[in-house]
Amino acid sequence: AQKITQTQPGMFVQEKEAVTLDCTYDTSDQSYGLFWYKQPSSGEMIFLIYQGSYDEQNATEGRYSLNFQKARKSANLVISASQLGDSAMYFCAMREGQRTYKYIFGTGTRLKVLA
Amino acid sequence: ETGVTQSPTHLIKTRGQQVTLRCSSQSGHNTVSWYQQALGQGPQFIFQYYREEENGRGNFPPRFSGLQFPNYSSELNVNALELDDSALYLCATQGATSTDTQYFGPGTRLTVL
Repeated sequence: AQKITQTQPGMFVQEKEAVTLDCTYDTSDQSYGLFWYKQPSSGEMIFLIYQGSYDEQNATEGRYSLNFQKARKSANLVISASQLGDSAMYFCAMREGQRTYKYIFGTGTRLKVLA
Repeated sequence: ETGVTQSPTHLIKTRGQQVTLRCSSQSGHNTVSWYQQALGQGPQFIFQYYREEENGRGNFPPRFSGLQFPNYSSELNVNALELDDSALYLCATQGATSTDTQYFGPGTRLTVL
């Protein structure tokens, strides 16, 4: 069964430093998509970055990059130059299936950026 | 701003009551999914609608039901509310292809007393 694992319940990072949030996944599908979302205390899930299973390059979106290691089934999120506004929950998700476009989410990592 | 809106923002109900939550889709998005997020957990897939038809369902009982309308807006209905139904309910919309990203609304926080 497809599964997403986030092993870091909480992380601290100093402002302006980089931080890596870990995500491993398990799937038998050859075609899948991996996503990272940010959830501030307000509750809205904000899309950050996407990586397709056939993409050869690691995805980047501004200060966000996804370190995709297919053989190890990992999709870690790297946030560079952390800002106080980056403090939030971060969820890794995987798109499952070709017909039903449902996402499976991990349990999340709470990131706190320190001034 | 994703263009996905949900109403109401917060809701308090008592056990056994029924509730209807609403979601307005982002323009051009014909697929809507509903998720339940319990406190301290990741979202769990409830079901998905594509062009007004149910297109998949997660491990939720039949008292969770939904509708999608011709303008692609959607409703989530929950009957016979239980205390464990207290959660944040998120809807997410996406375009027509499987590789399209799902964009989430702000959620409805339901409390069942």
